[in-house]
Amino acid sequence: LAKTTQPISMDSYEGQEVNITCSHNNIATNDYITWYQQFPSQGPRFIIQGYKTKVTNEVASLFIPADRKSSTLSLPRVSLSDTAVYYCLVGGWKAGNNRKLIWGLGTSLAVNP
Amino acid sequence: EAGVTQFPSHSVIEKGQTVTLRCDPISGHDNLYWYRRVMGKEIKFLLHFVKESKQDESGMPNNRFLAERTGGTYSTLKVQPAELEDSGVYFCASSQAGLAYEQYFGPGTRLTVT
Repeated sequence: LAKTTQPISMDSYEGQEVNITCSHNNIATNDYITWYQQFPSQGPRFIIQGYKTKVTNEVASLFIPADRKSSTLSLPRVSLSDTAVYYCLVGGWKAGNNRKLIWGLGTSLAVNP
Repeated sequence: EAGVTQFPSHSVIEKGQTVTLRCDPISGHDNLYWYRRVMGKEIKFLLHFVKESKQDESGMPNNRFLAERTGGTYSTLKVQPAELEDSGVYFCASSQAGLAYEQYFGPGTRLTVT
Protein backbone atom coordinates (compact mmCIF):
# COMPACT_ATOMS: atom_id res chain seq x y z
CA LEU A 1 0.00 0.00 0.00
CA ALA A 2 1.27 3.45 -0.92
CA LYS A 3 2.77 5.65 1.78
CA THR A 4 1.33 9.12 2.17
CA THR A 5 2.89 12.36 3.40
CA GLN A 6 0.87 15.34 4.58
CA PRO A 7 1.55 18.38 6.77
CA ILE A 8 1.39 17.75 10.49
CA SER A 9 -0.72 20.83 11.18
CA MET A 10 -2.42 23.78 9.56
CA ASP A 11 -4.12 26.92 10.84
CA SER A 12 -6.98 28.79 9.25
CA TYR A 13 -9.75 31.24 10.01
CA GLU A 14 -13.48 30.97 9.75
CA GLY A 15 -14.80 31.56 6.27
CA GLN A 16 -11.55 30.76 4.50
CA GLU A 17 -10.96 27.97 2.02
CA VAL A 18 -8.53 25.36 3.28
CA ASN A 19 -6.45 23.13 1.01
CA ILE A 20 -4.61 20.16 2.46
CA THR A 21 -2.17 18.47 0.12
CA CYS A 22 -1.08 14.87 0.39
CA SER A 23 1.87 13.29 -1.41
CA HIS A 24 1.73 9.66 -2.52
CA ASN A 25 4.59 9.24 -4.97
CA ASN A 26 4.39 5.44 -5.21
CA ILE A 27 0.66 5.20 -5.81
CA ALA A 28 -0.26 2.12 -7.82
CA THR A 29 -2.48 2.00 -10.88
CA ASN A 30 -5.40 0.44 -9.04
CA ASP A 31 -5.09 2.63 -5.93
CA TYR A 32 -7.79 5.05 -4.91
CA ILE A 33 -7.35 8.13 -2.72
CA THR A 34 -9.56 8.53 0.31
CA TRP A 35 -9.82 11.19 2.98
CA TYR A 36 -11.14 10.83 6.49
CA GLN A 37 -11.88 13.38 9.22
CA GLN A 38 -11.57 12.76 12.94
CA PHE A 39 -12.84 14.90 15.78
CA PRO A 40 -11.47 14.48 19.31
CA SER A 41 -12.84 11.46 21.15
CA GLN A 42 -14.59 10.19 18.03
CA GLY A 43 -13.82 7.62 15.38
CA PRO A 44 -12.70 8.73 11.93
CA ARG A 45 -15.37 9.68 9.41
CA PHE A 46 -15.20 9.15 5.66
CA ILE A 47 -15.20 12.42 3.71
CA ILE A 48 -14.42 11.77 0.06
CA GLN A 49 -12.78 9.38 -2.34
CA GLY A 50 -11.42 9.70 -5.87
CA TYR A 51 -9.24 8.17 -8.53
CA LYS A 52 -8.34 11.05 -10.83
CA THR A 53 -9.29 14.63 -11.75
CA LYS A 54 -11.83 16.22 -9.44
CA VAL A 55 -14.50 14.90 -7.14
CA THR A 56 -16.92 17.07 -5.21
CA ASN A 57 -19.54 16.31 -2.61
CA GLU A 58 -21.47 18.31 -0.05
CA VAL A 59 -18.52 18.39 2.32
CA ALA A 60 -15.37 18.85 0.25
CA SER A 61 -13.64 18.67 -3.09
CA LEU A 62 -10.77 16.42 -4.00
CA PHE A 63 -8.31 17.46 -6.70
CA ILE A 64 -6.04 14.83 -8.22
CA PRO A 65 -3.51 15.79 -10.92
CA ALA A 66 -2.88 13.62 -13.95
CA ASP A 67 0.19 11.90 -12.49
CA ARG A 68 -1.79 11.07 -9.30
CA LYS A 69 1.31 11.48 -7.15
CA SER A 70 -0.48 13.96 -4.95
CA SER A 71 -3.98 15.04 -4.06
CA THR A 72 -5.54 18.09 -2.45
CA LEU A 73 -8.52 18.12 -0.15
CA SER A 74 -10.33 21.43 -0.37
CA LEU A 75 -12.70 22.57 2.36
CA PRO A 76 -14.73 25.62 1.32
CA ARG A 77 -15.47 28.33 3.87
CA VAL A 78 -14.40 26.48 6.98
CA SER A 79 -16.06 27.01 10.33
CA LEU A 80 -14.90 26.32 13.87
CA SER A 81 -16.55 22.91 13.67
CA ASP A 82 -14.14 21.87 10.92
CA THR A 83 -11.32 21.78 13.46
CA ALA A 84 -10.22 18.16 13.28
CA VAL A 85 -7.53 15.82 12.05
CA TYR A 86 -7.68 14.99 8.35
CA TYR A 87 -6.21 11.76 7.02
CA CYS A 88 -5.19 10.94 3.47
CA LEU A 89 -5.18 7.22 2.65
CA VAL A 90 -4.29 5.37 -0.51
CA GLY A 91 -5.22 1.82 -1.36
CA GLY A 92 -6.61 -0.54 -3.96
CA TRP A 93 -9.78 -1.33 -2.10
CA LYS A 94 -11.83 -1.84 -5.20
CA ALA A 95 -9.51 -4.56 -6.45
CA GLY A 96 -8.23 -7.68 -4.80
CA ASN A 97 -8.80 -8.67 -1.25
CA ASN A 98 -6.94 -5.95 0.63
CA ARG A 99 -9.49 -4.12 2.71
CA LYS A 100 -7.52 -2.60 5.54
CA LEU A 101 -6.90 1.13 5.79
CA ILE A 102 -3.30 2.24 6.35
CA TRP A 103 -3.14 5.44 8.41
CA GLY A 104 -0.56 8.16 8.80
CA LEU A 105 -0.59 10.80 11.52
CA GLY A 106 -2.85 13.08 9.53
CA THR A 107 -3.07 16.86 9.39
CA SER A 108 -4.38 18.64 12.45
CA LEU A 109 -6.44 21.57 11.20
CA ALA A 110 -7.21 24.38 13.63
CA VAL A 111 -9.86 26.87 12.55
CA ASN A 112 -9.70 30.11 14.46
CA PRO A 113 -12.48 32.71 14.92
CA GLU B 1 -29.79 4.60 10.84
CA ALA B 2 -27.85 3.54 13.94
CA GLY B 3 -24.10 3.86 13.68
CA VAL B 4 -21.36 1.58 14.89
CA THR B 5 -21.46 1.21 18.64
CA GLN B 6 -18.73 0.07 20.98
CA PHE B 7 -18.79 -1.01 24.58
CA PRO B 8 -17.40 -0.06 26.99
CA SER B 9 -16.33 3.47 26.16
CA HIS B 10 -13.53 3.27 28.69
CA SER B 11 -11.93 0.41 30.59
CA VAL B 12 -9.22 0.51 33.22
CA ILE B 13 -7.70 -2.82 34.20
CA GLU B 14 -4.58 -4.09 35.85
CA LYS B 15 -1.79 -5.86 34.08
CA GLY B 16 -2.59 -9.54 33.83
CA GLN B 17 -6.34 -9.12 33.82
CA THR B 18 -8.70 -9.89 30.98
CA VAL B 19 -10.82 -7.42 29.08
CA THR B 20 -13.42 -7.96 26.38
CA LEU B 21 -14.39 -5.20 24.01
CA ARG B 22 -17.59 -5.35 22.03
CA CYS B 23 -18.52 -3.84 18.69
CA ASP B 24 -21.94 -3.70 17.06
CA PRO B 25 -21.61 -2.81 13.38
CA ILE B 26 -24.19 -1.11 11.22
CA SER B 27 -26.92 -3.58 10.39
CA GLY B 28 -26.30 -5.29 7.07
CA HIS B 29 -22.59 -4.52 6.92
CA ASP B 30 -20.72 -7.70 6.16
CA ASN B 31 -17.30 -6.18 6.74
CA LEU B 32 -16.11 -5.50 10.26
CA TYR B 33 -12.69 -4.17 11.20
CA TRP B 34 -10.74 -3.60 14.38
CA TYR B 35 -8.09 -0.91 14.65
CA ARG B 36 -6.00 0.39 17.51
CA ARG B 37 -4.32 3.66 18.27
CA VAL B 38 -1.55 3.79 20.81
CA MET B 39 -0.93 7.28 22.19
CA GLY B 40 1.10 9.40 19.80
CA LYS B 41 1.11 6.78 17.06
CA GLU B 42 -0.90 6.11 13.94
CA ILE B 43 -4.08 4.13 13.88
CA LYS B 44 -3.10 0.52 13.19
CA PHE B 45 -5.17 -2.18 11.55
CA LEU B 46 -5.75 -5.30 13.65
CA LEU B 47 -8.09 -7.53 11.70
CA HIS B 48 -10.98 -7.78 9.27
CA PHE B 49 -14.05 -9.99 9.29
CA VAL B 50 -16.28 -10.76 6.35
CA LYS B 51 -19.45 -11.92 8.04
CA GLU B 52 -18.21 -14.46 10.59
CA SER B 53 -14.95 -15.31 8.82
CA LYS B 54 -11.59 -13.73 9.52
CA GLN B 55 -10.44 -12.31 6.21
CA ASP B 56 -7.23 -10.72 7.41
CA GLU B 57 -5.74 -10.86 10.89
CA SER B 58 -2.27 -9.76 9.94
CA GLY B 59 -2.35 -6.85 12.36
CA MET B 60 -3.08 -8.77 15.52
CA PRO B 61 -0.11 -8.12 17.84
CA ASN B 62 0.15 -11.58 19.41
CA ASN B 63 -1.86 -14.52 20.68
CA ARG B 64 -3.07 -12.59 23.72
CA PHE B 65 -5.62 -11.00 21.40
CA LEU B 66 -8.64 -12.99 20.29
CA ALA B 67 -11.38 -11.65 18.06
CA GLU B 68 -14.66 -13.34 17.31
CA ARG B 69 -17.74 -12.56 15.29
CA THR B 70 -20.15 -15.36 15.91
CA GLY B 71 -23.18 -15.29 13.64
CA GLY B 72 -21.69 -12.49 11.59
CA THR B 73 -23.25 -9.74 13.68
CA TYR B 74 -21.47 -8.17 16.63
CA SER B 75 -17.80 -8.79 17.35
CA THR B 76 -15.73 -9.10 20.48
CA LEU B 77 -12.04 -8.51 21.01
CA LYS B 78 -10.57 -10.15 24.07
CA VAL B 79 -7.20 -9.30 25.52
CA GLN B 80 -5.89 -11.96 27.90
CA PRO B 81 -3.73 -11.33 29.82
CA ALA B 82 -3.45 -7.59 29.31
CA GLU B 83 -0.05 -5.91 29.25
CA LEU B 84 0.86 -2.27 29.73
CA GLU B 85 1.58 -1.82 26.01
CA ASP B 86 -1.99 -2.81 25.18
CA SER B 87 -3.22 0.58 26.38
CA GLY B 88 -4.76 2.68 23.67
CA VAL B 89 -8.00 3.37 21.85
CA TYR B 90 -9.58 0.46 20.05
CA PHE B 91 -11.77 1.36 17.12
CA CYS B 92 -14.25 -0.82 15.35
CA ALA B 93 -15.49 -0.05 11.86
CA SER B 94 -17.87 -1.62 9.41
CA SER B 95 -18.54 -1.30 5.72
CA GLN B 96 -20.86 -2.63 3.07
CA ALA B 97 -19.70 -5.35 0.73
CA GLY B 98 -17.68 -3.85 -2.10
CA LEU B 99 -17.17 -0.49 -0.35
CA ALA B 100 -14.14 -1.21 1.80
CA TYR B 101 -12.80 2.33 1.48
CA GLU B 102 -15.89 3.84 3.10
CA GLN B 103 -15.71 2.49 6.59
CA TYR B 104 -17.97 3.68 9.40
CA PHE B 105 -16.18 3.93 12.68
CA GLY B 106 -17.44 3.63 16.21
CA PRO B 107 -16.39 6.07 18.93
CA GLY B 108 -13.73 3.71 20.21
CA THR B 109 -12.96 2.03 23.52
CA ARG B 110 -10.20 3.62 25.54
CA LEU B 111 -8.29 0.85 27.30
CA THR B 112 -5.92 1.70 30.09
CA VAL B 113 -3.75 -1.06 31.55
CA THR B 114 -2.07 -0.16 34.83
